[in-house]
Amino acid sequence: QSVLTQPPSVSEAPRQRVTISCSGSSSNIGNNAVNWYQQLPGEAPKLLIYFDDQLPSGVSDRFSGSKSGTSASLAISGLQSEDEADYLCAAWDDSLNGPVFGGGTKLTVL
Amino acid sequence: QVQLQESGPGLVKPSETLSLTCTVSGGSVSGDYWSWVRQPPGKGLEWIGYIYYSGSTNYNPSLKSRVTISVDTSKNQFSLKLSSVTAADTAVYYCARFITSAYYFDSWGRGTLVTVSS
Repeated sequence: QSVLTQPPSVSEAPRQRVTISCSGSSSNIGNNAVNWYQQLPGEAPKLLIYFDDQLPSGVSDRFSGSKSGTSASLAISGLQSEDEADYLCAAWDDSLNGPVFGGGTKLTVL
Repeated sequence: QVQLQESGPGLVKPSETLSLTCTVSGGSVSGDYWSWVRQPPGKGLEWIGYIYYSGSTNYNPSLKSRVTISVDTSKNQFSLKLSSVTAADTAVYYCARFITSAYYFDSWGRGTLVTVSS
């Protein structure tokens, strides 16, 4: 059981836009930055979004992040087949005194 | 761009100690925080703990009694020891650099699968 809650899967057609939600509490998302990772099959996670909505160098601007209260969202526009992956949210948790993760959302590009 | 590489046994017997090392290249362990994260097969990520290059540590409370993370600045490595392992500790273990300004992992190793089995 992950501390942050994500839908297990989402799917959308190529060139469309999809959003992935991440729900937490006041001890994590509500009080700390949210970060997103992309995990391609069989690979290590890759930082996608940090500090709620910042893109690391080299990450496509088709990816964007937002946060409101104790929830956050990742949006991917102009979907491509190469975007098929697991997407995980994470945040610092003040109660744990450490980072916590969502269970991950598997994106299928139809 | 810093690169990380995990190394260690892929098979550990129950009740024994899991030991892994992460070698950092393209940068120095000095000045940064370094972490271990694991992922059981088909499951989500779990933070194990992190260490500052000076040696100060912070562990996940659920694992704290069994975990030791250490750093060797002369070898540009940091290590994980997890004692009294059970099948529940079977997972892919990742090492990563931890950025404390916004609490994210910006560089990851490829991961190494450790199976606990007799």
